[in-house]
Amino acid sequence: GESVGLHLPTLSVQEGDNSIINCAYSNSASDYFIWYKQESGKGPQFIIDIRSNMDKRQGQRVTVLLNKTVKHLSLQIAATQPGDSAVYFCAENMGGTSGTYKYIFGTGTRLKVLA
Amino acid sequence: AAGVIQSPRHLIKEKRETATLKCYPIPRHDTVYWYQQGPGQDPQFLISFYEKMQSDKGSIPDRFSAQQFSDYHSELNMSSLELGDSALYFCASTLRTGAEAFFGQGTRLTVV
Repeated sequence: GESVGLHLPTLSVQEGDNSIINCAYSNSASDYFIWYKQESGKGPQFIIDIRSNMDKRQGQRVTVLLNKTVKHLSLQIAATQPGDSAVYFCAENMGGTSGTYKYIFGTGTRLKVLA
Repeated sequence: AAGVIQSPRHLIKEKRETATLKCYPIPRHDTVYWYQQGPGQDPQFLISFYEKMQSDKGSIPDRFSAQQFSDYHSELNMSSLELGDSALYFCASTLRTGAEAFFGQGTRLTVV
């Protein structure tokens, strides 16, 4: 069966509570960050992004915070729902050799929503 | 709206065989990325193409090669397959450099 997420850190939250997922990125020159949600057997799905000239961005039920000083990102999910159960990855966008960019993924966090 | 299409969705190969994975980016997207995701692991960047030219190379084995064609679709060719190549392979595309990458549903490769 599907084993993505078997060895990932797990965050368990009660339905209706807020979730905070953290991520450390590696390159101080990265200027664009994305949070992705990955459900079992599916491709990563965009949640929210933030550029390095911002420290906070809000979406629908989600907020991303960026702390460039310590190279840290967090994803806050308000009123967590069962459908939020998935693996969450942050990705940093690093400049490439031809002026294009590649996305480097951080260690995912498995979010389990408890009924 | 059209998404990134990958084919096949599932592939079973024997050791030492070859495999070809295909990726069809979102129309007008000019950049394609390939990632490999082992069980319980993060997606690992393999290679990317911009306007049909290789733009970045990550942890792609020498046994693998890839290219982007004139219609912007991309193919990942994998030879001398090993058991450790079993993984999910994702393709992503972007409209412009530095923009949000849209991912396909992946190809699950199993090497037996």
